[in-house]
Amino acid sequence: GESVGLHLPTLSVQEGDNSIINCAYSNSASDYFIWYKQESGKGPQFIIDIRSNMDKRQGQRVTVLLNKTVKHLSLQIAATQPGDSAVYFCAENEEYSGGGADGLTFGKGTHLIIQP
Amino acid sequence: DVKVTQSSRYLVKRTGEKVFLECVQDMDHENMFWYRQDPGLGLRLIYFSYDVKMKEKGDIPEGYSVSREKKERFSLILESASTNQTSMYLCASSPLPTGEQYFGPGTRLTVT
Repeated sequence: GESVGLHLPTLSVQEGDNSIINCAYSNSASDYFIWYKQESGKGPQFIIDIRSNMDKRQGQRVTVLLNKTVKHLSLQIAATQPGDSAVYFCAENEEYSGGGADGLTFGKGTHLIIQP
Repeated sequence: DVKVTQSSRYLVKRTGEKVFLECVQDMDHENMFWYRQDPGLGLRLIYFSYDVKMKEKGDIPEGYSVSREKKERFSLILESASTNQTSMYLCASSPLPTGEQYFGPGTRLTVT
């Protein structure tokens, strides 16, 4: 499958600051995007998702932005807290790819480090 | 609350051994997935299943097989374990063919 990637392997921010994690994707047919958070020793946990008919979606302290023109996805975390330290993955698939199930294509992940 | 469980958190096996990794979900999901996670490579899809007894190859199926005899259980099998199969293995399930997947805690397998 086509690749989904992240721009930075590590991002270090001060506690209380806002974080922005970026992701580029290459499959122009992708129409569903999702962000996962993975803490050490745990499986990925859903944060937020967005479909291609939207360019912005907000959750609690998180916002996902989608720019289909340049195939770019970002996750913004407001007022970062120590508990936000984790690896963040973007993932995508084609929601209407022909009827069958399909795995997500994951980026390589960005390690978010919160400094006190 | 959704729950995906995996039979072991840590597993150490010898080269050539047959290895079974079990995954169970209690959400009545049709679709189940096996990924492996390696540093610098992210998560890569090994196999998935969209129904009982149905299976599809993912991106890296070589050296693996799967079994889905019951809806809630999806097993990953390493017929003859090799050192390059040392990895974190993650199972996931989803109610829809595409979209959000729910992950288990992972099994860290070491093949010596």
